Amino acid sequence: QSALTQPPSVSGSPGQSVTISCTGTSSDVGSYNRVSWYQQPPGTAPKLLIYAVNNRPSGVPDRFSGSKSGSTASLTISGLQTEDEADYYCSSYTTTTTWVFGGGTKLTVL
Amino acid sequence: QVQLVQSGAEATKPGASVKVSCTASGYTFTRHGISWVRQAPGQGLEWMGWVSPDNGKTNYAQKFKGRVTMTTDTSTATAYMELRSLTSDDSAFYYCARHSGIFFGDNWGQGTLVTVSS
Repeated sequence: QSALTQPPSVSGSPGQSVTISCTGTSSDVGSYNRVSWYQQPPGTAPKLLIYAVNNRPSGVPDRFSGSKSGSTASLTISGLQTEDEADYYCSSYTTTTTWVFGGGTKLTVL
Repeated sequence: QVQLVQSGAEATKPGASVKVSCTASGYTFTRHGISWVRQAPGQGLEWMGWVSPDNGKTNYAQKFKGRVTMTTDTSTATAYMELRSLTSDDSAFYYCARHSGIFFGDNWGQGTLVTVSS
C-alpha cells in the first residue's frame, strides 16, 4: 500500500487560509469516507483534528475543516495562527482493511 | 480521562526483538481497538497494524507481516507490540493509538523510542 500524497510544505500568514491536499486512489480515499487528519507539533504525539472526512472531535476549533472529492481529501485551516505551525498528516482506510498515512505536510506560519 | 501510557525507551542490537507496551485507562479497554504507528527520526507516520482487545484479532500492514506480533492482556488493559529481527531502519518512535468506530487516533500514547544499534 503506497502512502497518500501530500505536499511537503505549505505556508501562510497569520489570519490567512491554507489548504493541504491528500491524494490517494480508488483503493483508499476514493473508496471510503474514512479519512482523518492529524496535527503533530515538533516533539509531540499526533493529535486528531478531523475524522470521517469532515468531522471535528470536541475541542478542535472550527477553523479546521475537511472535505473530499473523488480520491483527494483536503484540510483547510482558516484564520491561521502561529500555534498552527506543525506537521499535518492525513490517513485513510483501504480496501485491504489496513490504514495508510500521507507523507506529511509542514505548515509554516510566516 | 482516557490515557494510554507506553513503556520506556529501548536500546537494542540488530537481529534482536523489542516488545513495547501500552497501558490504557479511563475507558473500557475491550471496546476499542489499538493501532500501532511508528515514526523514524525526521520522517512521517507509518501504520503498522491493529489489534482488537475484545477478541485478539489482528491486522498487520503487509510490510510487517511475519515480523510483528500485536497482543493484548485484558486483565491489565495493556496492548503489546513485538517487532523481531530488528535492523537500524527500525529505529523510531513507536506510538499506540485508540480506535473509535471508523477512525483511530482520538487518543495516543506518548511514544516509545526504540534505538537499534550495534
